[in-house]
Amino acid sequence: DAKTTQPNSMESNEEEPVHLPCNHSTISGTDYIHWYRQLPSQGPEYVIHGLTSNVNNRMASLAIAEDRKSSTLILHRATLRDAAVYYCILRQNYGGSQGNLIFGKGTKLSVKP
Amino acid sequence: DGGITQSPKYLFRKEGQNVTLSCEQNLNHDAMYWYRQDPGQGLRLIYYSQIVNDFQKGDIAEGYSVSREKKESFPLTVTSAQKNPTAFYLCASSREFMNTEAFFGQGTRLTVV
Repeated sequence: DAKTTQPNSMESNEEEPVHLPCNHSTISGTDYIHWYRQLPSQGPEYVIHGLTSNVNNRMASLAIAEDRKSSTLILHRATLRDAAVYYCILRQNYGGSQGNLIFGKGTKLSVKP
Repeated sequence: DGGITQSPKYLFRKEGQNVTLSCEQNLNHDAMYWYRQDPGQGLRLIYYSQIVNDFQKGDIAEGYSVSREKKESFPLTVTSAQKNPTAFYLCASSREFMNTEAFFGQGTRLTVV
C-alpha cells in the first residue's frame, strides 16, 4: 500500500505558484520523498526528491517539514504544460522490496489559463 | 540519445493468447520495473529486477512472467491466466534498485478482445 496521502485534485491559475501537499506520517528515517508527474497517456516523469533539507531544481522545489511527516511540492509559476497527475512516493535507501517505487493515486492538477 | 523504449505503443490480442511486451533501455541501468495502470488509477507494480538474471514478484504478479537475460532488456509476457489483461503497461529503469531517479517508457496500451 502507498504510504502517502494526497488530495485527489487541485486547481491553479496559469502563472501562479502551486503548492501540492503530501502527508507521510509513518515515514522512517531511511525513506526518501520522491515526486513524479504523469501527463495523459504518457509514462511518469521524475520531478524531484529529498531526504530532510529543502531541495530545488529546474522543475520545482520540495519543502520538507521539520518532522518529515509531510512535504510540499512547489511549482513556482504554473503553466498549462504542468497539468498532470502528481505522485508523492516514499522510497527507502536500501535494498529489499522497500526500494521499489510504490504509487498511490496522486493529485490531479488542473491549470486554468 | 539514452532512454527507455517500449514497443509497440498499441497492442490488440484475442482472449486466451499470450502476448509479450518489449522494454529496452540503453542507460546502463541495473534495475528495471513493470507497472500496470488501469483507467483513473495509480500504477501497480507487477515485477521488478534489481540486476541482470534476477527478478522478483511485485504486488500483482499473477498471470504475468518476465525474464532478465540481458541488462538492457526486460520483456513482460501477459499470459492467458491473467484475468483482466486490458490495461496500460509501463516499464521503468533506474541506475540502482533504491534511491535513484526512475525513467519510464511511453507505455504500451494492451487491449484484449
